[in-house]
Amino acid sequence: SQKIEQNSEALNIQEGKTATLTCNYTNYSPAYLQWYRQDPGRGPVFLLLIRENEKEKRKERLKVTFDTTLKQSLFHITASQPADSATYLCALLSGGYNKLIFGAGTRLAVHP
Amino acid sequence: DTGVSQDPRHKITKRGQNVTFRCDPISEHNRLYWYRQTLGQGPEFLTYFQNEAQLEKSRLLSDRFSAERPKGSFSTLEIQRTEQGDSAMYLCASRFPPKEGRHEAFFGQGTRLTVV
Repeated sequence: SQKIEQNSEALNIQEGKTATLTCNYTNYSPAYLQWYRQDPGRGPVFLLLIRENEKEKRKERLKVTFDTTLKQSLFHITASQPADSATYLCALLSGGYNKLIFGAGTRLAVHP
Repeated sequence: DTGVSQDPRHKITKRGQNVTFRCDPISEHNRLYWYRQTLGQGPEFLTYFQNEAQLEKSRLLSDRFSAERPKGSFSTLEIQRTEQGDSAMYLCASRFPPKEGRHEAFFGQGTRLTVV
């Protein structure tokens, strides 16, 4: 069956360090992979999209990689700040690009 | 346009009652999605519309759940005879159709349902 896996344990890092979150998937061949941020009690907010023919994408302090051979995406936040503390969700476009399928998310806590 | 709007933000209901939630998408988006999210989990797909047509429903969506988008603008999600297991955050999202090449989804703030 199709599955998207993200680290279920919270990631705790020190302010200023780089946070790296992992998303692994099985039984998918996604053309697109997306990352969202979700704060408690609020809806997810789109951050970045990467296409299958792109190895890496950057946006300000964010960087996403996409390895279709390993079936894995890595999400990096450089120079992390306490305001980056949130849950980060990985999502794949499925069903002819018609719907997003989400992983369970990884909670990031950045400590001052 | 201020984004995707959901109403109410919170709903507490007694088991067995019916509830209805409303979603107003971004006006330029013809795709509208409903998701359900429980604590510690990612959003779980329920159903989606293109304009007024409901194109897909999750197998997880029981007969007690029904969604409509009568004029291709706002949508409603109704749950009949609520059960405690229905307690969750119900999220609505909208986006452009895939053919436009813009695949990001815009979510509302969600409706938190508590069934007591």
